[in-house]
Amino acid sequence: GAVVSQHPSRVICKSGTSVKIECRSLDFQATTMFWYRQFPKQSLMLMATSNEGSKATYEQGVEKDKFLINHASLTLSTLTVTSAHPEDSSFYICSAKYGSNEGLFFGSGTQLSVL
Amino acid sequence: AQTVTQSQPEMSVQEAETVTLSCTYDTSESNYYLFWYKQPPSRQMILVIRQEAYKQQNATENRFSVNFQKAAKSFSLKISDSQLGDTAMYFCAFNDYKLSFGAGTTVTVRA
Repeated sequence: GAVVSQHPSRVICKSGTSVKIECRSLDFQATTMFWYRQFPKQSLMLMATSNEGSKATYEQGVEKDKFLINHASLTLSTLTVTSAHPEDSSFYICSAKYGSNEGLFFGSGTQLSVL
Repeated sequence: AQTVTQSQPEMSVQEAETVTLSCTYDTSESNYYLFWYKQPPSRQMILVIRQEAYKQQNATENRFSVNFQKAAKSFSLKISDSQLGDTAMYFCAFNDYKLSFGAGTTVTVRA
C-alpha cells in the first residue's frame, strides 16, 4: 500500500514556542492531505483538509492562526503549531488520499508535549 | 453531516475465537465507501478492509470480513480466528469527500 511518512514522532517543547510537523507521501502524489488530532482512547478529530497549492480548509472550532498548514508540493504538507501551550499537547496524525476512493493512508503520528 | 456510531466501547475475545464489531452510519448519499481501520498500541492507523456501497457482496480480507446491510445502514466487522496481534482499537469510517470516524471499539484478545 501507499506509504505516508510523518516526522517527528515525538516532540517536547516549551510553552510559547512553535513546532512544525511534516507529512510526506513517499510513493505517490497526494493532492489532498488531512490533519487529525487524537486524545487518549478517543477517536480521530479532523482539524483541516490540506490541498496542494491552495489554502487549507479548517473544521469548525479549529484556530487557523494557531494551526498553520502548508501544502506546497504534491508530496509534502506541514502543520505548524504556533505559540504552543500545554493544552495543545496531543497526538497529531496526518493522512493522504490515495486514488479516488481507496481510503486514506496515515502517517505514524506525532506526540506533542508542551511544557 | 454524516455520522458514524460504534456502540461497543470495549470487547474481549479469547484467542482463536470470533468477535464481531458493530457500526451504523447515517447518510443521504447513495454511493459511498466504508472502511474499518485498526489502531494498535503503536498508534499507527492501518486500513483493515473497505466496502463500496454499490457492491452487494460483502468484502473479505483473510480473517476479516464485513456484513454490509445498506438498507439498515449497518457495517459490522467480523474477526475470525482472533490472534494476539489483533489487540487494537478499531474504527469504522465513512467516506464522501472526507473521512468521518466512529468513536472506536477497543478489542482485547486474551491468550
